[in-house]
Amino acid sequence: GDSVTQMEGPVTLSEEAFLTINCTYTATGYPSLFWYVQYPGEGLQLLLKATKADDKGSNKGFEATYRKETTSFHLEKGSVQVSDSAVYFCALNANRDDKIIFGKGTRLHILP
Amino acid sequence: ETGVTQSPTHLIKTRGQQVTLRCSSQSGHNTVSWYQQALGQGPQFIFQYYREEENGRGNFPPRFSGLQFPNYSSELNVNALELDDSALYLCASSLWQGESNYGYTFGSGTRLTVV
Repeated sequence: GDSVTQMEGPVTLSEEAFLTINCTYTATGYPSLFWYVQYPGEGLQLLLKATKADDKGSNKGFEATYRKETTSFHLEKGSVQVSDSAVYFCALNANRDDKIIFGKGTRLHILP
Repeated sequence: ETGVTQSPTHLIKTRGQQVTLRCSSQSGHNTVSWYQQALGQGPQFIFQYYREEENGRGNFPPRFSGLQFPNYSSELNVNALELDDSALYLCASSLWQGESNYGYTFGSGTRLTVV
């Protein structure tokens, strides 16, 4: 079945460092891909999305490109801030039944 | 535009009891989905409601049931609570028109602890 695999955390970086969180997926057809962020004690917020191959989603300095050839959707940010500390979830929606399939999440700690 | 609101925010129940969690959809949305997020895990799809009918279900037993009301608000009911039901329960609303989904909005969740 459809699934999402993302790098395990926690990931600890210093402020202004470059961030990459790897995500790969397995799905039949052409899913939409998402990154969600969860701050401590809160629900999920959509960070960015891409709906077709080669699309680049971007928001708040974060970017991810839908790579069908490598079935990947890696999250990147050029210069992280302490306020980016959160748990990040890669997810897909296969559009057949509207459910979202999430990865296990990657906890990110940014040190000042 | 109001977002998705869930109540209560926290709840403690005893094993074997029943619980009802509530969700108010974002204004203009017609579909609601429920997810269970165990500690340290990603959310798992429980079920979805569209036009007051169940429209898809994940791998959860029948003691997990739901309702969607004409105003698109929703309830999640769990009977015969087990310790493993302890989790954050997330509600998400979305708008479906024709074949297209116009994006999900998640609530902040209800933290259920079963003792």
